[in-house]
Amino acid sequence: DGGITQSPKYLFRKEGQNVTLSCEQNLNHDAMYWYRQDPGQGLRLIYYSQIVNDFQKGDIAEGYSVSREKKESFPLTVTSAQKNPTAFYLCASSMRRRRGATNEKLFFGSGTQLSVL
Amino acid sequence: AQKVTQAQTEISVVEKEDVTLDCVYETRDTTYYLFWYKQPPSGELVFLIRRNSFDEQNEISGRYSWNFQKSTSSFNFTITASQVVDSAVYFCALSRNSGNTPLVFGKGTRLSVIA
Repeated sequence: DGGITQSPKYLFRKEGQNVTLSCEQNLNHDAMYWYRQDPGQGLRLIYYSQIVNDFQKGDIAEGYSVSREKKESFPLTVTSAQKNPTAFYLCASSMRRRRGATNEKLFFGSGTQLSVL
Repeated sequence: AQKVTQAQTEISVVEKEDVTLDCVYETRDTTYYLFWYKQPPSGELVFLIRRNSFDEQNEISGRYSWNFQKSTSSFNFTITASQVVDSAVYFCALSRNSGNTPLVFGKGTRLSVIA
């Protein structure tokens, strides 16, 4: 079955440590996204990528980094510069939207809960 | 700037009651898209509906219905005869018909259906 796989389900970070969250999709989607979810805050966009080897900052990119070396993979690194990393992280993907075409819906993974030790 | 407001943070209803989740949006675009997603306890967001700004017809899908009113910038979601399995966080979201612009989400409404 096609879908988005996020791993691990739970992740713990020590002070000063960088951690990487994995996101893989086999939907053949061009666009991929990372959202952060905090209680009562809804979803906020961290980074997104419309095509391989290209990505853009979202609303809260500070303290995070991404790469898009392969179409199916969009890992997110939470760096030590992110002082409040405890949150639920959701990865999503969509077909690349062509000019004039309908905006595509997002498909989501099941998320990674990151906590600080 | 675009904005989505879901004023109801949490709602509790007894099973079989009807419940309406409110969504109010702000945008200067004339063409835009509105979405509803459901997030069950498992965490994954599940797509429920997409509506473009030129289609104001209300939609019904089983026990779910949506009321889109451009005049009040609202896109409300009603669940009829609620069930325990409807318990989840529901998000309203807004997009634009330009570029691959990511969705802007509301803060969500947590619905608890009590047996």
